[in-house]
Amino acid sequence: EAQVTQNPRYLITVTGKKLTVTCSQNMNHEYMSWYRQDPGLGLRQIYYSMNVEVTDKGDVPEGYKVSRKEKRNFPLILESPSPNQTSLYFCASSLSRSRTGRDLPQHFGDGTRLSIL
Amino acid sequence: AQSVTQLDSHVSVSEGTPVLLRCNYSSSYSPSLFWYVQHPNKGLQLLLKYTSAATLVKGINGFEAEFKKSETSFHLTKPSAHMSDAAEYFCVVSEAWRALTFGSGTRLQVQP
Repeated sequence: EAQVTQNPRYLITVTGKKLTVTCSQNMNHEYMSWYRQDPGLGLRQIYYSMNVEVTDKGDVPEGYKVSRKEKRNFPLILESPSPNQTSLYFCASSLSRSRTGRDLPQHFGDGTRLSIL
Repeated sequence: AQSVTQLDSHVSVSEGTPVLLRCNYSSSYSPSLFWYVQHPNKGLQLLLKYTSAATLVKGINGFEAEFKKSETSFHLTKPSAHMSDAAEYFCVVSEAWRALTFGSGTRLQVQP
């Protein structure tokens, strides 16, 4: 079954304690992306990756890191989490980002709810 | 720059009545437009997409949307609401090479 898998689904932690949210897709997709969802703001992109070893900032990258060492995995790293990073996070993937802008629809994971105390 | 505005944060309808969720967009280029649905504790699922083919786009579960360039709108409709349609809906716009830009969402309630 085609899917995007995020772990953990829920996490409560404290300020400053490094954490990693993993994301894995089994569709051989080139493009992967992380979003955060906050009430009234919709989803905002944190980072994206066009392919292995190619990553770039989205709209709200501050406080986050990513890496793309393998095509299937795109972990999100919070080196020193703070309470304003409490949010619902989604990983997404798609086959590619087309050059004409006719983006293929993205497949989303089920989300990771992070609470930073 | 691209942007998207969902005109209603909440919409409540009775089961069996029509659904209208409104979306206006702004884009410098010819955009791709999408509607996604999010059920509680779930990720987003694609309902339908517009990519410059037919302006009336049919999606899953009986939903459809019409792209109106003159009005910069991409409203989502369904002739008859079902209880299972209760969810949050996001209108999304995308230009060439840019990230997807999400609207703030519309929560649809369906009353029995």
